Amino acid sequence: EAQVTQNPRYLITVTGKKLTVTCSQNMNHEYMSWYRQDPGLGLRQIYYSMNVEVTDKGDVPEGYKVSRKEKRNFPLILESPSPNQTSLYFCASSLFGTGVSGYYEQYFGPGTRLTVT
Amino acid sequence: RKEVEQDPGPFNVPEGATVAFNCTYSNSASQSFFWYRQDCRKEPKLLMSVYSSGNEDGRFTAQLNRASQYISLLIRDSKLSDSATYLCVVGVGDMRFGAGTRLTVKP
Repeated sequence: EAQVTQNPRYLITVTGKKLTVTCSQNMNHEYMSWYRQDPGLGLRQIYYSMNVEVTDKGDVPEGYKVSRKEKRNFPLILESPSPNQTSLYFCASSLFGTGVSGYYEQYFGPGTRLTVT
Repeated sequence: RKEVEQDPGPFNVPEGATVAFNCTYSNSASQSFFWYRQDCRKEPKLLMSVYSSGNEDGRFTAQLNRASQYISLLIRDSKLSDSATYLCVVGVGDMRFGAGTRLTVKP
């Protein structure tokens, strides 16, 4: 089954304790992205990657790191989490480039609900 | 101004009603347009792409007006199962998401 998986699904942690949220896709997609979703603000892009070893900042990259060592995996790292990073996080993947009708559909993981106290 | 703006909602409609959502985008270079559906606390899923000529999928009709830079979604004969948040998404260099419009369909 084609899918994007994220782990953990739920996480409660304390300020300053480093954490990693994993993301993996089995569709051989070049493009992967991380979003956070907060009430009233919609989905905001944190980082994205167009292929292995190619990553770039999105709209809200402060306090986050990513890496793309393998095509299927795109972990999100919070080196020193703070309460303002409490949010719902989604990983997404898609083919890269433009198709016949424009950009390709993104497939989302199930989300990771993070609480930082 | 936000890149993608949607009716804030919420929309509360009875079963069988027709409901329309609008979305405006600011970047005239936008190339791709989508409507995604998001159920409470779950991941967004593609509802339909929006093509220049407009397109229909069962009870759902999407329209694109490039000149005015807006997209619409029409849902006919609303079902209880249509209750969700609908996200307008625009592709321009990257995907830009609207904040979503919440729809509740009531018996």
